[in-house]
Amino acid sequence: DTGVSQNPRHKITKRGQNVTFRCDPISEHNRLYWYRQTLGQGPEFLTYFQNEAQLEKSRLLSDRFSAERPKGSFSTLEIQRTEQGDSAMYLCASSWTSEAYEQYFGPGTRLTVT
Amino acid sequence: QQPVQSPQAVILREGEDAVINCSSSKALYSVHWYRQKHGEAPVFLMILLKGGEQKGHDKISASFNEKKQQSSLYLTASQLSYSGTYFCGTERDTGNQFYFGTGTSLTVIP
Repeated sequence: DTGVSQNPRHKITKRGQNVTFRCDPISEHNRLYWYRQTLGQGPEFLTYFQNEAQLEKSRLLSDRFSAERPKGSFSTLEIQRTEQGDSAMYLCASSWTSEAYEQYFGPGTRLTVT
Repeated sequence: QQPVQSPQAVILREGEDAVINCSSSKALYSVHWYRQKHGEAPVFLMILLKGGEQKGHDKISASFNEKKQQSSLYLTASQLSYSGTYFCGTERDTGNQFYFGTGTSLTVIP
């Protein structure tokens, strides 16, 4: 098991463009989380999947953000019409469903919107 | 909704002890603790469930006061490798959203 992987690791885009990030969780983990982290801040919850079902979505998340997890495996996070305020590190984490689960984080995708 | 941590930053000499606190205004189901080093992803330290249990391994332990919705992380005989930013993460009694705390920067110096 190679852990949680995310691609790309870095993305530079111009304002107004759409971007898509991919997360491959640890195999057999059925929970998958997306977070956004800016410098000096803690990770901010964006959304959460259990298998292929998106169970929670932050109210802070605008409708420009969408996430999918087809077949309960990898997940994609798309940001449409990017804004400079979207510049951040986007982290993905996965875990088992159990009473006391721990989240394993991927290395993140750093997005810079120019 | 974001848990508040204290202190915001602390500097220790090797061998000294530290306590990091995490406080939430909402009823919690679980509290997680993570450490993040600069430029890296958060790494899990431990989890505490509702019930006020205390956990620990090696020189790092934590407690969870369910009535006060507070958790504390205890670092004893600190080592240089303990340096980093510590975050608590909380899951509420209702809902599946996970909130990370405001963070505590810990620096251990020789």
